[in-house]
Amino acid sequence: ETGVTQTPRHLVMGMTNKKSLKCEQHLGHNAMYWYKQSAKKPLELMFVYSLEERVENNSVPSRFSPECPNSSHLFLHLHTLQPEDSALYLCASSQENLPETQYFGPGTRLLVL
Amino acid sequence: RKEVEQDPGPFNVPEGATVAFNCTYSNSASQSFFWYRQDCRKEPKLLMSVYSSGNEDGRFTAQLNRASQYISLLIRDSKLSDSATYLCVVNPRDAGGTSYGKLTFGQGTILTVHP
Repeated sequence: ETGVTQTPRHLVMGMTNKKSLKCEQHLGHNAMYWYKQSAKKPLELMFVYSLEERVENNSVPSRFSPECPNSSHLFLHLHTLQPEDSALYLCASSQENLPETQYFGPGTRLLVL
Repeated sequence: RKEVEQDPGPFNVPEGATVAFNCTYSNSASQSFFWYRQDCRKEPKLLMSVYSSGNEDGRFTAQLNRASQYISLLIRDSKLSDSATYLCVVNPRDAGGTSYGKLTFGQGTILTVHP
C-alpha cells in the first residue's frame, strides 16, 4: 500500500541550488502536512494545508516555500538552503476533520552541502 | 521544558520481556494522545490512540493520567519485530479549541528486542 508517496527519496544539493520536494496522497484525504526530522530531535511540524488552504506556518524560514495545487499534491520548494537544513522531510495527510490520524510518506532525505 | 518529553533509551530487552515507556506533556489543554511507531529509516505509523480509561490492543496497553500529564505504553511478551522507536504524540489545542492537526511529537524511545 503506497498511500502517501514522496519524490525524490534522496536529494543532495548545494546552498545556491533550487529544488522541489513532491508529495502525493492516494487516500482521498483533504489535509496535508510537511514535517522536518533531524537527527536526535523530535519531528517538527512545518506547514499544514487544510482544504488546499495553508492554515499553519510554524515559523519556518522563507527559504522553504510550500505549494498545494490540489488536495492530492503538496510541494516544498527549496532555495538557498543551509547545511543545518539537512534532514528527513516527511509529508503526511489526513481527513481535515480527523487531523489527529495522519498517514506519513517515506520521506525525502536531504543533504545540503 | 519540552512540550513532550520521553526517555530516549535505548531499552534493550530479551524476547518475551515486558517493557514500559513513559511520556510527559506540558500543555494541559491537550485533548488527544497517541503512540506512533517508527522503524529504522522508515516513516512513523500510528500504533494506537490513548484514552483516559486506558486501552489495550493485543500485547500493547496505553494509559493516560491527565492530572499528572503522563502517558504510558506497556508492551508484553516482546517480539523481535517490536524493535523500533516509539513516539509519544500529543495534539494540543488553542484557546478556541482548534488543533489543525498540530501534532507535537516526543523525541522517541528506542527499543531493541534481542533473542
